[in-house]
Amino acid sequence: GAVVSQHPSWVICKSGTSVKIECRSLDFQATTMFWYRQFPKQSLMLMATSNEGSKATYEQGVEKDKFLINHASLTLSTLTVTSAHPEDSSFYICSARSLAAESGELFFGEGSRLTVL
Amino acid sequence: GQNIDQPTEMTATEGAIVQINCTYQTSGFNGLFWYQQHAGEAPTFLSYNVLDGLEEKGRFSSFLSRSKGYSYLLLKELQMKDSASYLCAVWDSNYQLIWGAGTKLIIKP
Repeated sequence: GAVVSQHPSWVICKSGTSVKIECRSLDFQATTMFWYRQFPKQSLMLMATSNEGSKATYEQGVEKDKFLINHASLTLSTLTVTSAHPEDSSFYICSARSLAAESGELFFGEGSRLTVL
Repeated sequence: GQNIDQPTEMTATEGAIVQINCTYQTSGFNGLFWYQQHAGEAPTFLSYNVLDGLEEKGRFSSFLSRSKGYSYLLLKELQMKDSASYLCAVWDSNYQLIWGAGTKLIIKP
């Protein structure tokens, strides 16, 4: 099946710093990628929809200036958590939909666990 | 509003069968997904239903009734590795994926 790679898997940073997370579709092109956040024992929460070549669409309550999303190519989207604070500590997961997949199945990256000290 | 309901937690015995239900009320419907998520990992795709009926895939089967806004995931011959959260998600009329809160399945020997 299609592969989505996410990097880094784990990141620990100091409060106030910025962290960039990459999401790559390795063997297919994805015009749309999705960024989710998941707090412990909670379900996935969609943060934003990343569209190649255009601005991301953010869900209500998600600060677009704090969570910068760039989707510069058909295989790469990045999420930058700016001026991170301890409350931003979470599991961030990206996913992409392969246009070739009839079921519209979403392929997920491995996730990135962010800990802000 | 849009809503997906599934039980918070279920417990079953190794080797048995368990059925996880999901009911939904969404603005439109373009398909229903089941995902499995082990603790600390990203979800993995299990099934996709867009037409009514049962889809069987090995030990896992998924059923859909669009008129009732209802689906279930059936797991047979349960194994300890099946202990995970099972997420139900629905594509609405805008192809936005609406997620349920997930059902934590605990398998006991």
